[in-house]
Amino acid sequence: GAGVSQSPSNKVTEKGKDVELRCDPISGHTALYWYRQSLGQGLEFLIYFQGNSAPDKSGLPSDRFSAERTGGSVSTLTIQRTQQEDSAVYLCASSLMASGLNEQFFGPGTRLTVL
Amino acid sequence: RKEVEQDPGPFNVPEGATVAFNCTYSNSASQSFFWYRQDCRKEPKLLMSVYSSGNEDGRFTAQLNRASQYISLLIRDSKLSDSATYLCVVNDRGSGNTGKLIFGQGTTLQVKP
Repeated sequence: GAGVSQSPSNKVTEKGKDVELRCDPISGHTALYWYRQSLGQGLEFLIYFQGNSAPDKSGLPSDRFSAERTGGSVSTLTIQRTQQEDSAVYLCASSLMASGLNEQFFGPGTRLTVL
Repeated sequence: RKEVEQDPGPFNVPEGATVAFNCTYSNSASQSFFWYRQDCRKEPKLLMSVYSSGNEDGRFTAQLNRASQYISLLIRDSKLSDSATYLCVVNDRGSGNTGKLIFGQGTTLQVKP
């Protein structure tokens, strides 16, 4: 069966531009999570969705970051006016439900480079 | 202080060796604990959950000490294919049992022939 997919796999952009990152979770998974991994750093939680609602946005680094999820499926993470410090791998994960007991399955990530 | 702390390594061991990784976490209210494995430039994958009673999966044994807020992973009879970064992961209970995961920085293991 299909796993979590993300697009694009790589994105190079210029400072100040907006970017959109997409995540397709595993079919039937109601919970979706966004993390980012900077060079030499651990994974950092950004936001999670249960259905189309985002109960916890506490990890979004600034108001330049936003995310939405429609139809309980696809999610997009938008970064406006990108900065060099936004360069990282953005990982999406999904699980059956938003619970600490459910395994999260990760997508391959989008490697974002801001020049 | 980081919420989840690990020795980054690297640990360089010969094939067949036994190696142990340790991890400490700061939130005593945490309830779920995991070890994930991440290969170079790949996504993390769940290796095993960690239970209070300790649990074993083949050559891998995970232990949890709630009193010391300490988690360990033991790998016996190391294989070349075990070379990867091992991530200690704790479920954040601060906002309920939501599945929000807090990751350690990872411990890198390199198994040599």
